[in-house]
Amino acid sequence: DIVVTQTPLSSPVTLGQPASISCRSSQSLVHSDGNTYLNWLQQRPGQPPRLLIYKISNRFSGVPDRFSGSGAGTDFTLKISRVEAEDVGVYYCLQTTQSPYSFGQGTKLEIK
Amino acid sequence: EVQLLESGGGLEQPGGSLRLSCEASGFTFSSYTMTWVRQAPGKGLEWVSSISGSGGTTYYTDSVKGRFTISRDSSKNTLYLQMNSLRAEDTAVYYCAKGGGCYDWGQGTLVTVSS
Repeated sequence: DIVVTQTPLSSPVTLGQPASISCRSSQSLVHSDGNTYLNWLQQRPGQPPRLLIYKISNRFSGVPDRFSGSGAGTDFTLKISRVEAEDVGVYYCLQTTQSPYSFGQGTKLEIK
Repeated sequence: EVQLLESGGGLEQPGGSLRLSCEASGFTFSSYTMTWVRQAPGKGLEWVSSISGSGGTTYYTDSVKGRFTISRDSSKNTLYLQMNSLRAEDTAVYYCAKGGGCYDWGQGTLVTVSS
């Protein structure tokens, strides 16, 4: 089974400053079809999760362009260029390249 | 607009059964893989199961194999999760999501397994 590990688990950030979250998988997430199925999701307090980024770097509908994703193979990063108050919550990476699919442990983003 | 509405959660005793439903609208239901994800109180997200658009292929996390069954009825635009032999550790909010990659989410339904 593929294990997905996020770092850090907690990230205090100053408003207006950048933030970065890393996601590392125990094996390559490149699918036999050539795609890499690594997504990023945000869960605000008391809300269901919301998709931000799919297939490494594609922003989902309605997602602000301050969110970006990058990476390849086993190492991936979510970046927020300038953190806003509404970005507070927990961020998860999700691999759906190989079943059983798996989420990272989550990274709690909070404002300093 | 995609809408996903889960129902069927509640309090059940260990060893009991529940069937969750997820009514979908705003997209062509039969064209999409559908997924169940759960979140235990205060914990992270856990992928539970997915089913292909045709219903012909299903996937499960190891901890629910043999106990949970995912299914779908395209005539009703509804996704199901039949949960048998429930355990305390199945206590969670259960979300349904559109797509294997979880593109859209419902609000969730709470399942509590306790005597």
